[in-house]
Amino acid sequence: EDQVTQSPEALRLQEGESSSLNCSYTVSGLRGLFWYRQDPGKGPEFLFTLYSAGEEKEKERLKATLTKKESFLHITAPKPEDSATYLCAVQDNTDKLIFGTGTRLQVFP
Amino acid sequence: AAGVIQSPRHLIKEKRETATLKCYPIPRHDTVYWYQQGPGQDPQFLISFYEKMQSDKGSIPDRFSAQQFSDYHSELNMSSLELGDSALYFCASSRDLQETQYFGPGTRLLVL
Repeated sequence: EDQVTQSPEALRLQEGESSSLNCSYTVSGLRGLFWYRQDPGKGPEFLFTLYSAGEEKEKERLKATLTKKESFLHITAPKPEDSATYLCAVQDNTDKLIFGTGTRLQVFP
Repeated sequence: AAGVIQSPRHLIKEKRETATLKCYPIPRHDTVYWYQQGPGQDPQFLISFYEKMQSDKGSIPDRFSAQQFSDYHSELNMSSLELGDSALYFCASSRDLQETQYFGPGTRLLVL
């Protein structure tokens, strides 16, 4: 059965303190791995899609990487506005995204 | 850039009532997905449509039905509402099947 596990569940960082979020997955035939950011009560906001091991994508302070078993979302010098829940999702040969339970990030000034 | 539009944004219903949620995909997106997110939980896939035909089905109760219309907008119809149906309902759209899904702002449904 396809499964996505994210760690840590919650992360508190000081502004400027870099860190990484982990997403481990088990999926039969990975078509894509997706990172979304979700603010409370709002819809997931698309960040990155990764398709194959070794692939990396960057956007501002965020960098996503992918291996055959996990993905990392690296946050460099975070700011308070980066505070949100970060969701990882995988897609197999079906339409649905299978989400992890997310990492709740808080960045303090 | 245009985003996915959902209406209404908030909905309060009594048990056993019906509700209809609407979703307007990003222009030129022909695939629509519905997800349910309970409090503190991750989004769970309900159903998807591609070119106005049902494409895939997840954990959608038999009390719920959905369709996609000729203008590609979609409606999720929920009948005999239960307290446990209280959740955020998200619609997402993509340019094609298995392309990146872009989510709308959601409809918050509260069943009393």
